[in-house]
Amino acid sequence: ETGVTQTPRHLVMGMTNKKSLKCEQHLGHNAMYWYKQSAKKPLELMFVYNFKEQTENNSVPSRFSPECPNSSHLFLHLHTLQPEDSALYLCASSQERSDGTDTQYFGPGTRLTVL
Amino acid sequence: QKEVEQNSGPLSVPEGAIASLNCTYSDRGSQSFFWYRQYSGKSPELIMSIYSNGDKEDGRFTAQLNKASQYVSLLIRDSQPSDSATYLCAVNAYGNKLVFGAGTILRVKS
Repeated sequence: ETGVTQTPRHLVMGMTNKKSLKCEQHLGHNAMYWYKQSAKKPLELMFVYNFKEQTENNSVPSRFSPECPNSSHLFLHLHTLQPEDSALYLCASSQERSDGTDTQYFGPGTRLTVL
Repeated sequence: QKEVEQNSGPLSVPEGAIASLNCTYSDRGSQSFFWYRQYSGKSPELIMSIYSNGDKEDGRFTAQLNKASQYVSLLIRDSQPSDSATYLCAVNAYGNKLVFGAGTILRVKS
């Protein structure tokens, strides 16, 4: 595997279900991100992890719970979601640099549908 | 509020023409600027990054940055139907946090 991988690629869940999204990066990066992309809206940053520590939580509802066990893996745990949470969830990774030239590389995304 | 503005389009150009995509940003302290291409149903793919004023060329793509005007653009020469996609402008104002524009839809007609 190369780059950033995400599983599953598609997920349909009911509002009472609990599911998890998984992301793995094979680039040796030290920062990982979760984004949400809804139709006709800009990419929304949800969470940022640097060296496994969460450094950003962009006012995300608690029904989304991230987990970063190591610098290569990132999870997004989902529970009691709402239909408006249906979107493309994208994981990205980068190598943090002191000069601000970090470049983020995206995984293929998980298309989530909440019924 | 840090913002990145793009014309949503669609921008239609004939095959072989130059496509010009524009982006403005509000945070004057922004340091890094990126263009991503996103095909329908796919994830964003990095095309270009630019950090200093002026032009940066890579194949058929040229990124242009003017920090005084808070403006960054992407030129695509010899546009091909395969270039039809949504182009996302992203700005890194501090640390490793990117702010994305809503994207410009480009359609190249053969």
